[in-house]
Amino acid sequence: QKEVEQDPGPLSVPEGAIVSLNCTYSNSAFQYFMWYRQYSRKGPELLMYTYSSGNKEDGRFTAQVDKSSKYISLFIRDSQPSDSATYLCAMEGGGNKLTFGTGTQLKVEL
Amino acid sequence: DSGVTQTPKHLITATGQRVTLRCSPRSGDLSVYWYQQSLDQGLQFLIQYYNGEERAKGNILERFSAQQFPDLHSELNLSSLELGDSALYFCASSAGTNGETQYFGPGTRLLVL
Repeated sequence: QKEVEQDPGPLSVPEGAIVSLNCTYSNSAFQYFMWYRQYSRKGPELLMYTYSSGNKEDGRFTAQVDKSSKYISLFIRDSQPSDSATYLCAMEGGGNKLTFGTGTQLKVEL
Repeated sequence: DSGVTQTPKHLITATGQRVTLRCSPRSGDLSVYWYQQSLDQGLQFLIQYYNGEERAKGNILERFSAQQFPDLHSELNLSSLELGDSALYFCASSAGTNGETQYFGPGTRLLVL
């Protein structure tokens, strides 16, 4: 079993929809939780990072962490075609090593 | 643009050969991280350097080695290349030693034939 599980998709939604992306994990040591966006043939871009449990909002993006359930989410409101990309969750629990999910491919259609 | 640069963008080589990938971190960042991204394994952490010293090690093969130079740029050396080493190799940087805010470069696409 992988330490971080993420549904690969693809997930296809109409423009303007609310998108929910999720990851589950098994390592209780994870304290920092990140979401990266990766466009095709580009490097991952840091979108959000949160420490421990709770919510964090940045514009159209909201990150949620539920450590008791070992479950994290990224919500995208008013989704746009430019949001079409692969979204990677990542976690860090000491040791400076990031553990990534395999990524969810999102397509926002006009 | 993250501010992290990587060269070359593409590299095509043969099995058994050796290649060097280069990374320049964002201005002011002292940590450099190397990752391998393949279709079947996803993004895998290889190694971290902080201010010239190795700080953390991941799933890096013995055939691979890295170093960080006094000007903080880093090189990843891959030797005795195998077909399975074909992948995207990313470098990331962060200001300190903590890994939670890493900024990624555009990557080097390696194809081993």
